[in-house]
Amino acid sequence: RKEVEQDPGPFNVPEGATVAFNCTYSNSASQSFFWYRQDCRKEPKLLMSVYSSGNEDGRFTAQLNRASQYISLLIRDSKLSDSATYLCVVNPNKLVFGAGTILRVKS
Amino acid sequence: NAGVMQNPRHLVRRRGQEARLRCSPMKGHSHVYWYRQLPEEGLKFMVYLQKENIIDESGMPKERFSAEFPKEGPSILRIQQVVRGDSAAYFCASSPGDRGGTEAFFGQGTRLTVV
Repeated sequence: RKEVEQDPGPFNVPEGATVAFNCTYSNSASQSFFWYRQDCRKEPKLLMSVYSSGNEDGRFTAQLNRASQYISLLIRDSKLSDSATYLCVVNPNKLVFGAGTILRVKS
Repeated sequence: NAGVMQNPRHLVRRRGQEARLRCSPMKGHSHVYWYRQLPEEGLKFMVYLQKENIIDESGMPKERFSAEFPKEGPSILRIQQVVRGDSAAYFCASSPGDRGGTEAFFGQGTRLTVV
């Protein structure tokens, strides 16, 4: 079983749509969690950290369920500029990346 | 305050040559990660280092690859006797070093092409 699993997509959505990504992880000792985004052929950039209580940053909401070892990212009112690959990241004692979920927002 | 700096950005090597990739972490960061990314694939963990110490090298191939992060100077990822399959983007990321909680910030990567 992979340490971090994500649906690869692609998710093709119209502008303005709400889209949700899911991620599961296998190491119950993981202590911190993040979402990164990666644009084509560029370096990954931190989107947001994920906290047990859930957290929101503008149109983006992240949730963590430790019991189910599950992380989610919700994007509301999708923009064309949201098109990217979204990477789920967990940290048991080093940063472990999922393979990413591709999002394509179309006008 | 400069971010994570990697050089060179692009590197071309002939089969059998050596490749040296450099990474200077953000100011104040004492830990460095190296990842490899093949075209159309995800980031694969290679090695996690702090100054003068390898924390986790479980992702490093057993042969030809080595990494170091000396007390002074950048972290170096070294690939000896390169083969075509080594062609990839190599990303470095740095973090302050709190293993339990902090995120990491990436450099722009080195794209290695083996011809």
